[in-house]
Amino acid sequence: QKEVEQDPGPLSVPEGAIVSLNCTYSNSAFQYFMWYRQYSRKGPELLMYTYSSGNKEDGRFTAQVDKSSKYISLFIRDSQPSDSATYLCAMRDAGNNRKLIWGLGTSLAVNP
Amino acid sequence: EAGVTQFPSHSVIEKGQTVTLRCDPISGHDNLYWYRRVMGKEIKFLLHFVKESKQDESGMPNNRFLAERTGGTYSTLKVQPAELEDSGVYFCASSQRGGRTGELFFGEGSRLTVL
Repeated sequence: QKEVEQDPGPLSVPEGAIVSLNCTYSNSAFQYFMWYRQYSRKGPELLMYTYSSGNKEDGRFTAQVDKSSKYISLFIRDSQPSDSATYLCAMRDAGNNRKLIWGLGTSLAVNP
Repeated sequence: EAGVTQFPSHSVIEKGQTVTLRCDPISGHDNLYWYRRVMGKEIKFLLHFVKESKQDESGMPNNRFLAERTGGTYSTLKVQPAELEDSGVYFCASSQRGGRTGELFFGEGSRLTVL
């Protein structure tokens, strides 16, 4: 069983839609949860990070972590064509080991 | 400020040959990481340098892979001899010491194709 599960999609939505992306995980030791965005032929860039449970909002983006369900989500409001990218979840435990465990990534297309 | 740069962007080699990938981290970043993505699979951790020291190399697949970071600046990842299953995109990332957890700055990757 994979440590992190993420539906690769693809997901296609019209401009202005609310997008919901999510990951599930099996390792209860994970404490840091991140969402990275990756454009084609580029490296991943950090979009959101959350420590432990709770919500975090940054502009049109909201990250949620539910540790009891081992489930994390990323919501994108008022989606734009420029949001078209692959969204990857990544997580790690609280130890000194800074190794990130990644989901497969979800490919998102926002259509004008 | 320059970001993380990787070279070459794409390399095509034959099985059994040697390839060396280079990564220049953001200036002043003590932490340097190598990750790899094989087609259809998740990004996987390879190793982590703190300055010139290997902090964690638990993700290195086997002894055909050798990573170095001389002087704590740029890093190289050598694959010798390359096998078909080594094909993928090799990402380098760097972060500040004590930087925001998880904020790794990635390069654009070096795509390796082994024929």
